[in-house]
Amino acid sequence: EAGVAQSPRYKIIEKRQSVAFWCNPISGHATLYWYQQILGQGPKLLIQFQNNGVVDDSQLPKDRFSAERLKGVDSTLKIQPAKLEDSAVYLCASSLGRDKLNTEAFFGQGTRLTVV
Amino acid sequence: GDSVTQMEGPVTLSEEAFLTINCTYTATGYPSLFWYVQYPGEGLQLLLKATKADDKGSNKGFEATYRKETTSFHLEKGSVQVSDSAVYFCALGNTGGFKTIFGAGTRLFVKA
Repeated sequence: EAGVAQSPRYKIIEKRQSVAFWCNPISGHATLYWYQQILGQGPKLLIQFQNNGVVDDSQLPKDRFSAERLKGVDSTLKIQPAKLEDSAVYLCASSLGRDKLNTEAFFGQGTRLTVV
Repeated sequence: GDSVTQMEGPVTLSEEAFLTINCTYTATGYPSLFWYVQYPGEGLQLLLKATKADDKGSNKGFEATYRKETTSFHLEKGSVQVSDSAVYFCALGNTGGFKTIFGAGTRLFVKA
């Protein structure tokens, strides 16, 4: 079974530039998550999709971050404009998400973003 | 809201020592509980899980028991190896929104 695919693996941009990350979840997984993991901290949920609808985006800085999941499969996360404090690893995860027994999240390798 | 608290690290042990990493949670309902591991330079991997009270999850010599009365899910291993050096995250699967909430992580160093 193919895992969660993310690209790019690494990205370096200057502050105020824009950047986009892509995620392809495990086939058949209804729930997709984007997490931000700052060095030395646990992953923080940015946004959660159930199919192509947003379930939770309460911690997404909506003035600069946006995400979409067209057709309920792939997803993109965009930052525009980037700030220095956005330097982190952005993790995409997916889960079956249909019931309590299927909340296990499977993670991609992540995209390491460095804003200079 | 739901949350996870785990012991601060880093934890430094000698090879073959006994490991305990404490984890407690706050949640409504009956969440699933997980331990994830992140090896250097790699993504998060599920280590073990438990879906109901008194369940014991186990994998690769690691164990954790879902204790509803103490709202805990402590990770244990009887004899650690250098290859166990990693960051360990306790997490819960929120039953309301099916989302995974993570603790801050505990870094483990095992020296030969």
